[in-house]
Amino acid sequence: GAGVSQTPSNKVTEKGKYVELRCDPISGHTALYWYRQSLGQGPEFLIYFQGTGAADDSGLPNDRFFAVRPEGSVSTLKIQRTERGDSAVYLCASSSRGADSYNEQFFGPGTRLTVL
Amino acid sequence: RKEVEQDPGPFNVPEGATVAFNCTYSNSASQSFFWYRQDCRKEPKLLMSVYSSGNEDGRFTAQLNRASQYISLLIRDSKLSDSATYLCVVNPYNQGGKLIFGQGTELSVKP
Repeated sequence: GAGVSQTPSNKVTEKGKYVELRCDPISGHTALYWYRQSLGQGPEFLIYFQGTGAADDSGLPNDRFFAVRPEGSVSTLKIQRTERGDSAVYLCASSSRGADSYNEQFFGPGTRLTVL
Repeated sequence: RKEVEQDPGPFNVPEGATVAFNCTYSNSASQSFFWYRQDCRKEPKLLMSVYSSGNEDGRFTAQLNRASQYISLLIRDSKLSDSATYLCVVNPYNQGGKLIFGQGTELSVKP
């Protein structure tokens, strides 16, 4: 079946602009995660959704970052007033269950964001 | 101090070599442990879970020492196709499925 998909695959923007990154999880997966990976580093947790609600947003670096999942499926990560330091690969993952237990997370190919 | 620490490498080994990666974690309440593999410019993929009793999957052996908060991965008879970055990953207790990744250890297997 289809895996996790992310669009766009690449996004180049200018400092100060607003961007939206989309994640389409595996059908039926209730848990959805966003991570950010900078060059030479491991992925860093940003936010986790269980259904439509954000169960843990402790990894969002500041209030310029916001994510939604209005219907419990597709999620959008929104970044306002982008800064050069936001440049990274943004990874989305989904799993069949997240609350109180671990189920394997399947990652999408990521969106490579470059802020000039 | 990072929550999960790994030697970044790179490890350059010949085909057929045995190579070991080590990882330490700081949160003693961590409940689940994994090794992920990440190929260049690709997404991470689960290689194997790690259990206290140790577990093996073909040429790969993973070990967990909860007392020392230490995780290891052993690769025997390295293949060219093993070249990748290996990520040590921890799932903290009672935080849903949130994963904490190490920096990753780069492995390059040469002919």
